[in-house]
Amino acid sequence: SQTIHQWPATLVQPVGSPLSLECTVEGTSNPNLYWYRQAAGRGLQLLFYSVGIGQISSEVPQNLSASRPQDRQFILSSKKLLLSDSGFYLCAWRGQWELFFGEGSRLTVL
Amino acid sequence: AQKVTQAQTEISVVEKEDVTLDCVYETRDTTYYLFWYKQPPSGELVFLIRRNSFDEQNEISGRYSWNFQKSTSSFNFTITASQVVDSAVYFCALSLYSGAGSYQLTFGKGTKLSVIP
Repeated sequence: SQTIHQWPATLVQPVGSPLSLECTVEGTSNPNLYWYRQAAGRGLQLLFYSVGIGQISSEVPQNLSASRPQDRQFILSSKKLLLSDSGFYLCAWRGQWELFFGEGSRLTVL
Repeated sequence: AQKVTQAQTEISVVEKEDVTLDCVYETRDTTYYLFWYKQPPSGELVFLIRRNSFDEQNEISGRYSWNFQKSTSSFNFTITASQVVDSAVYFCALSLYSGAGSYQLTFGKGTKLSVIP
């Protein structure tokens, strides 16, 4: 069966520090992968999606970047965090039509 | 443009009451999918149901039921005999095909349901 994992689960970082969130999917090959952010009271916003290795599409201009170095690995990064980057980050893979989400990574930027 | 509206920000009910969560969507596509997800306090989004635009048949799964009406662009979710474990944020979502054949889901802002014992 397919599984998806994200880490770290919780992160507290100072403004200006770098960020790396990782997501790994098992049990499926060449999945479409997604990064969503959930800021307080604002619902879910799509940040990036990837249809294959090295293929990244950005939905919102921002301070973040994404990479897909391997088929089942999706990484969200930043060189310098802003206060506004705080939120709950969710990675997902696409099944037939629905998305299946990981446990989420809660980022607090101080 | 695609849009999902969940007008109810928060709802509180007493245990064993029935509750309906509203979802209204906008799309120009003729083929699309609608979804409901549950987000318990732990944070993980749990997939509940998918409906395609050609199937307006209502669905029931245990205490959960869904009413899809294309005429009013609504996809409402009813929990019968609510339980404390139903307390969560519920999201309605709509499929979206953007440029170059990409596929994504557009989410509503969610409805926070609190079931009081």
